[in-house]
Amino acid sequence: QKEVEQDPGPLSVPEGAIVSLNCTYSNSAFQYFMWYRQYSRKGPELLMYTYSSGNKEDGRFTAQVDKSSKYISLFIRDSQPSDSATYLCAMSDQAGTALIFGKGTTLSVSS
Amino acid sequence: GAVVSQHPSRVICKSGTSVKIECRSLDFQATTMFWYRQFPKQSLMLMATSNEGSKATYEQGVEKDKFLINHASLTLSTLTVTSAHPEDSSFYICSANTGGGEETQYFGPGTRLLVL
Repeated sequence: QKEVEQDPGPLSVPEGAIVSLNCTYSNSAFQYFMWYRQYSRKGPELLMYTYSSGNKEDGRFTAQVDKSSKYISLFIRDSQPSDSATYLCAMSDQAGTALIFGKGTTLSVSS
Repeated sequence: GAVVSQHPSRVICKSGTSVKIECRSLDFQATTMFWYRQFPKQSLMLMATSNEGSKATYEQGVEKDKFLINHASLTLSTLTVTSAHPEDSSFYICSANTGGGEETQYFGPGTRLLVL
């Protein structure tokens, strides 16, 4: 079993839809959780950062962490064509250490 | 957010030559930087952890003599691919940790290496 599981998709939605992306993990020591967005041939861009459990909202994006279920989610409201990208979840157990990434989910938002 | 740059963004070289890739944190100091490689349609694979003033820590299966890492200052880490071969062609990305007890890593734009 891999440490972080993420459905690679692809996921196709119409403009304006609510998108739900998620990852599961096996290491209960993980406490730092991040979501990155990566456009083709570009470096990952940090979208959301959450420490431990809970929800965090930033504009159209909401990140949720459920440590009891070892499950994290990213919700995108009012999705736009510019949201079309690959979304990577990442996590670690200690600050300053390397991140463990999911495989990434490819999202396509059509206008 | 913090800014991390990489240079060059793209490089084409002949088999057997060496290529140096620079990673810089532009507006913060990074005691730790990370080097990843990414193949098409795959996730990032950690190659090594670069610590300022000390030797890098390599992941299992990564040849330290082939991928030389030097973290000369708090804002610069370099990755040198020595005697490059076509199978080294990949997308190389660095990241830097902002520190301060937070686990926020910022990534560079990546370097695409093509070895002919």
